[in-house]
Amino acid sequence: AQKITQTQPGMFVQEKEAVTLDCTYDTSDPSYGLFWYKQPSSGEMIFLIYQGSYDQQNATEGRYSLNFQKARKSANLVISASQLGDSAMYFCAMREGNNAGNMLTFGGGTRLMVKP
Amino acid sequence: EAQVTQNPRYLITVTGKKLTVTCSQNMNHEYMSWYRQDPGLGLRQIYYSMNVEVTDKGDVPEGYKVSRKEKRNFPLILESPSPNQTSLYFCASSPRPGLAGPHNEQFFGPGTRLTVL
Repeated sequence: AQKITQTQPGMFVQEKEAVTLDCTYDTSDPSYGLFWYKQPSSGEMIFLIYQGSYDQQNATEGRYSLNFQKARKSANLVISASQLGDSAMYFCAMREGNNAGNMLTFGGGTRLMVKP
Repeated sequence: EAQVTQNPRYLITVTGKKLTVTCSQNMNHEYMSWYRQDPGLGLRQIYYSMNVEVTDKGDVPEGYKVSRKEKRNFPLILESPSPNQTSLYFCASSPRPGLAGPHNEQFFGPGTRLTVL
């Protein structure tokens, strides 16, 4: 079974509007962390935001926020006031607590395109 | 500047010709890892290293070798590359193994685009 599922291969959003990128995960480990990365066309992986499984509040970092619904096992990324520079691939990833290899398990990604 | 560097950034080679992709980090991180990225599959871990002389397989290790003789370097070796190893490769490092919140995030290198003909 897929551990991280991103069901939206591609999305369009109008500049200055908010957009939600979906991510659902599967784990039986009570301790885990969820990450979002941005990959622009230049290829580098840019860390955006982190949510720990025991965090009481949803994570926020500037225009990025994470809608964490633990019972539903979802960790959707919300980008407010989209900018043209937000056009990129976005990856959701998870690290489980018993993971001695520190491995991040990634979803297949969502390509976001911001329209002017 | 704290960073992870990879070389080469782009490489086109032929089947069977041994190659090495270098990875170096200047942050004194214990943990290093290699991932490959393929369309629709995200990134998948190839090998990782928890410290010098300590390496282990990730999800997709077949056809790859690694070594960790020094803390800062973690080269990826393809002894006999095949076309199915055409991919975008990322090296990553983080301070220490184990789950420790965002402060243990992985820092990624810029990527190496490999094409095997």
